[in-house]
Amino acid sequence: DVKVTQSSRYLVKRTGEKVFLECVQDMDHENMFWYRQDPGLGLRLIYFSYDVKMKEKGDIPEGYSVSREKKERFSLILESASTNQTSMYLCASSSPYLGTSEYNEQFFGPGTRLTVL
Amino acid sequence: GQNIDQPTEMTATEGAIVQINCTYQTSGFNGLFWYQQHAGEAPTFLSYNVLDGLEEKGRFSSFLSRSKGYSYLLLKELQMKDSASYLCAVRDEGPRRSGGSYIPTFGRGTSLIVHP
Repeated sequence: DVKVTQSSRYLVKRTGEKVFLECVQDMDHENMFWYRQDPGLGLRLIYFSYDVKMKEKGDIPEGYSVSREKKERFSLILESASTNQTSMYLCASSSPYLGTSEYNEQFFGPGTRLTVL
Repeated sequence: GQNIDQPTEMTATEGAIVQINCTYQTSGFNGLFWYQQHAGEAPTFLSYNVLDGLEEKGRFSSFLSRSKGYSYLLLKELQMKDSASYLCAVRDEGPRRSGGSYIPTFGRGTSLIVHP
């Protein structure tokens, strides 16, 4: 059974703290993604990566950075957490190559609900 | 860029049929996905359309008209467990790519409430 795991389901941090959200996938996927999900706004892409050490900005990268040192792991970093970063964070992975996945659909982790006080 | 529109919320009765619409405007088109997301859980893949027409998978079907920029997800014989958010995601042929495939953009999702 394919799986994307995230390090925490719930996290509470204080304003100004550095926050690390970890994501691991066991499907040998090249692509990995970080989204945030807020009521009424849907899923918004923060960053994605298509290979180790490669990263691309999504729609809302401000205040975030990412790291991909190994193929299976993609980390989201909040350098200095702020209250407007309180959200649900979802990690996803996919394969860009037809044959490994018929539709190149994304597989999502369970999410991390981050509260910044 | 993309503009993807879905209704915010729908309600339906157990056993009925419901159709969730998704309209989009893109500079190119490279496929449309539907995902289901139960409250507090991860989105899971339901269906994919890249050619015009209807794709059927059990109680769920998805339709696409590329010329109209329109898709719908049809849920038959509704069950209480179908209460969830349904996310439409469109992959276009814009500049944002990941390896050999394009990155999809998600609509805001439709919250479906099924009542007895």
